[in-house]
Amino acid sequence: NAGVMQNPRHLVRRRGQEARLRCSPMKGHSHVYWYRQLPEEGLKFMVYLQKENIIDESGMPKERFSAEFPKEGPSILRIQQVVRGDSAAYFCASSPPDQPQHFGDGTRLSIL
Amino acid sequence: QKEVEQNSGPLSVPEGAIASLNCTYSDRVSQSFFWYRQYSGKSPELIMSIYSNGDKEDGRFTAQLNKASQYVSLLIRDSQPSDSATYLCAVNRKTALIFGKGTTLSVSS
Repeated sequence: NAGVMQNPRHLVRRRGQEARLRCSPMKGHSHVYWYRQLPEEGLKFMVYLQKENIIDESGMPKERFSAEFPKEGPSILRIQQVVRGDSAAYFCASSPPDQPQHFGDGTRLSIL
Repeated sequence: QKEVEQNSGPLSVPEGAIASLNCTYSDRVSQSFFWYRQYSGKSPELIMSIYSNGDKEDGRFTAQLNKASQYVSLLIRDSQPSDSATYLCAVNRKTALIFGKGTTLSVSS
């Protein structure tokens, strides 16, 4: 029974490039959440999605960041024109409705 | 006031002792409370969830919730070196989880 799958595990981008992070939820989980963990900071909620819908994006930066969870395929967190401050660990979590969230192994994003 | 507050630690206990981790939260409407364990460089792992006042026990772990005091705690009995990690308290805000910065626990053998 596979857990939450994230790829890539590590991603290196140069300033100004785009970063795409993927997340496949656990089987049977319809809810996907993205969190960001900056060095020496706690986990910060970014966005909550269900299939084809963004439910809560109150934690998403206003510019350059977007997320989707299409009918088919994984959820994608997209960061355009990356800057050094985007370097962080990005975690995806999934859950069934009204159940605890389980986290993937994360994507460590490094910006050169 | 931060939404979820934890002492950063480190909390150091000898092997076999009880480790006590504490958390306070500010939003009185929160209904769901969680403890996650995170080893360095790894992902958060759910270890306890609690939804009503009182104690909830699971093996060596006991979570305690006091909604009137807006306080959640985690007790780890018979602490082992493998329990050394950062423990994250999380509280729901609607469907999102709001995390504290975590308490680092070090168990010495």
